[in-house]
Amino acid sequence: DAKTTQPNSMESNEEEPVHLPCNHSTISGTDYIHWYRQLPSQGPEYVIHGLTSNVNNRMASLAIAEDRKSSTLILHRATLRDAAVYYCISSDTSGTYKYIFGTGTRLKVLA
Amino acid sequence: EAQVTQNPRYLITVTGKKLTVTCSQNMNHEYMSWYRQDPGLGLRQIYYSMNVEVTDKGDVPEGYKVSRKEKRNFPLILESPSPNQTSLYFCASSLLYGASSYEQYFGPGTRLTVT
Repeated sequence: DAKTTQPNSMESNEEEPVHLPCNHSTISGTDYIHWYRQLPSQGPEYVIHGLTSNVNNRMASLAIAEDRKSSTLILHRATLRDAAVYYCISSDTSGTYKYIFGTGTRLKVLA
Repeated sequence: EAQVTQNPRYLITVTGKKLTVTCSQNMNHEYMSWYRQDPGLGLRQIYYSMNVEVTDKGDVPEGYKVSRKEKRNFPLILESPSPNQTSLYFCASSLLYGASSYEQYFGPGTRLTVT
């Protein structure tokens, strides 16, 4: 099973960019990389996903390393509402259809 | 409104008393899944379903059952709950699971306490 590792916590100042790293060294060629976030007292919500090339959407950008063993979620200007736990996960398309969440990175945004 | 609903939202029960947590989605999604969330352990997948009558184990299936008789519903069944199943449970659905890996929509969660 593809496994991801992330730092337990990070801090950022409001209005500054945030780079949240994720290692997925066991990822296979067909596994997608997904990012979700969980705001306090809510279920997780989708942020972004990608396979090989960098991806952008209205919430964030995803930068994927050339060897695909790591990726970085980029929040361009952190706001207080971005304080959440961010999960990097990999989907296994090679046989099982499981999602494996790690313990995530708790992002604290300082005013 | 597109959504995943779970019921009940909160449940306190006793050891051994069978219970069912319902999950329903109105988006015609094929893939549905149950997760449990415990402090320090993150989210762990219990069971998932690729489509009607197709279910499979996730990483922590022991003590749980599921069924998928209709596309929109995916109930989680605890035949004989034990205190170690005290947790926060989330149901999720997505259009498909495959090479394009669509986003999952999560329900609001069910907080279960087994005494």
